[in-house]
Amino acid sequence: IAGITQAPTSQILAAGRRMTLRCTQDMRHNAMYWYRQDLGLGLRLIHYSNTAGTTGKGEVPDGYSVSRANTDDFPLTLASAVPSQTSVYFCASKPHGTHNEQFFGPGTRLTVL
Amino acid sequence: SQQGEEDPQALSIQEGENATMNCSYKTSINNLQWYRQNSGRGLVHLILIRSNEREKHSGRLRVTLDTSKKSSSLLITASRAADTASYFCATARLNNAGNMLTFGGGTRLMVKP
Repeated sequence: IAGITQAPTSQILAAGRRMTLRCTQDMRHNAMYWYRQDLGLGLRLIHYSNTAGTTGKGEVPDGYSVSRANTDDFPLTLASAVPSQTSVYFCASKPHGTHNEQFFGPGTRLTVL
Repeated sequence: SQQGEEDPQALSIQEGENATMNCSYKTSINNLQWYRQNSGRGLVHLILIRSNEREKHSGRLRVTLDTSKKSSSLLITASRAADTASYFCATARLNNAGNMLTFGGGTRLMVKP
């Protein structure tokens, strides 16, 4: 693994189903983030984690949950998917420090029918 | 709500011309960052400017920051067809527990050969 990876690349999901989007980084970054990107709205933060064992809510957390059991992995779970969660989901990570950039994964395109 | 708003939403220029994109934001910041996104891909960091800086250069990129007007601009000089992408500004607010970024809606740049 080099950098930050996401799986799956894309998924079509029936409404009401449970889904976990995976995110893994090998850069030993402290902080990790989940965003959704919808047309014309840019990226909106769903959840974040400053360090392993801690998580926090972003701008649009409802319907999503995250966990951070270790430094490398930050899965995002939709407990019961709804069509409004159709979006492109990006995971990102950032090393410790205020003035550092975020590194983004390639994204997961999710369609909820 | 979005912290950053970009202007214009779309920009079409000829190869060799300069491209200028503007970003306005609402609250005090630690830094402002510009990212680029090619179609269907994740975001890539371009440049970060701290709140105590006024101008920064990186290759053909020039970023300015005016904290009194809460605005920033990104200038791409001598544009190339390969610069075609969406460009996003993102702000890291003061007292930001998660070092979170708030993204604008982006500017879609098309550079015609």
